[in-house]
Amino acid sequence: SHVLTQPPSVSVAPGKTATITCAGNNIVISDVHWYQQRPGQAPVVVIYYDSDRPTGIPERFSGSNSGNTATLTISRVEAGDEADYYCQVRDSSSHQEVFGGGTKLTVL
Amino acid sequence: EGQLVESGGGLIQPGGSLRLSCAASGFSVSLNYMNWVRQAPGKGLEWVSVIYTAGDTYYADSVKGRFTISRDNSKNILYLQMNSLRAEDTAVYYCAREESPSDAFDVWGHGTMVTVSS
Repeated sequence: SHVLTQPPSVSVAPGKTATITCAGNNIVISDVHWYQQRPGQAPVVVIYYDSDRPTGIPERFSGSNSGNTATLTISRVEAGDEADYYCQVRDSSSHQEVFGGGTKLTVL
Repeated sequence: EGQLVESGGGLIQPGGSLRLSCAASGFSVSLNYMNWVRQAPGKGLEWVSVIYTAGDTYYADSVKGRFTISRDNSKNILYLQMNSLRAEDTAVYYCAREESPSDAFDVWGHGTMVTVSS
């Protein structure tokens, strides 16, 4: 089954760009979704199908997927972006979903 | 968009059983892929189980043989029957909707806490 590896933490100053990676073997052939989870709250999808953005998610959030790495990019980071972020793919062969270990984004 | 509300969590001794419920409103559980996802204290998200529209069910290796996912279409409720509970099953359990295979989980409940301890 898939193993998705994320950096445990990423720190960025307000107004700068945060990049969160999700590494997996040939992940480019999978559909990658990204979730934001603030403390004490349920996850919220911020990017689906690699790079699509749900209604209500700021354009500052973008995604890409190439080779063995999917990437969530948050431009012009704000204090409110501070949260845990998870990538997710579906393993079609096993019918199981896989989450990355999560990345804690800290806004300095 | 719809809403999901979990219930049934609590404190249970190791080896015990518990049934979680997830009541849906605004959409039908039978017309969507419905999932359970858990999160141990201070840890990341772990997918637990899914039930497809056709009724097929799949489980994470960590719960296979112990947990059973099901739904009541008439009540529009998703269930998770958890047997032979272990300390490592302690977590917040979320139900989540997946409209189609490989879609993102677009609707989540608020979660219900399960604590397995003697």
